[in-house]
Amino acid sequence: DAGVIQSPRHEVTEMGQEVTLRCKPISGHNSLFWYRQTMMRGLELLIYFNNNVPIDDSGMPEDRFSAKMPNASFSTLKIQPSEPRDSAVYFCASSWTSNEQFFGPGTRLTVL
Amino acid sequence: GENVEQHPSTLSVQEGDSAVIKCTYSDSASNYFPWYKQELGKRPQLIIDIRSNVGEKKDQRIAVTLNKTAKHFSLHITETQPEDSAVYFCAASISGSNYKLTFGKGTLLTVNP
Repeated sequence: DAGVIQSPRHEVTEMGQEVTLRCKPISGHNSLFWYRQTMMRGLELLIYFNNNVPIDDSGMPEDRFSAKMPNASFSTLKIQPSEPRDSAVYFCASSWTSNEQFFGPGTRLTVL
Repeated sequence: GENVEQHPSTLSVQEGDSAVIKCTYSDSASNYFPWYKQELGKRPQLIIDIRSNVGEKKDQRIAVTLNKTAKHFSLHITETQPEDSAVYFCAASISGSNYKLTFGKGTLLTVNP
């Protein structure tokens, strides 16, 4: 199994631009999580899906952030418009009923 | 919602010594407590977990203890090695159909040779 796949691995963009982060969970997993990691705030849960349905998006910072999961093998996290304070590492993780979450390699986002 | 506090934020030990990281949680309904290790520039990876029906679990040099009454759990690493240097995160969750983890802020462990 290839594990959780995220793309791109690095993204540098200018303030105001739209950013789309992509995630492919482990095949057969039914839960998918988006996290943001910064030095100041640690590892924050942004949103998670169960069976492709958004369950809790209370961690999404504001309306500029949106996430979709159109099918069991793909999810996107979109930021529009991006701001410098959005600079962080964004992780996607997936899990099955064992509770263990398997993290992807992350996307390092830099907004100039 | 659940709140997880983790201490200390940084920990420095000499190689061969033991390291202990402590976490407290707020929601008495939480019953699953994993620990993740994150090396510099890498992804968090599960190293050990414990469920509320046991008080202690060991895996070689790593052990986790759980005190449900006091709502705290701890990670113990014995005979530390330089490769144990990393950020360690504790987390808590309520088992059910949706496995949302609430993470602590992390502990940067440095093992000095």
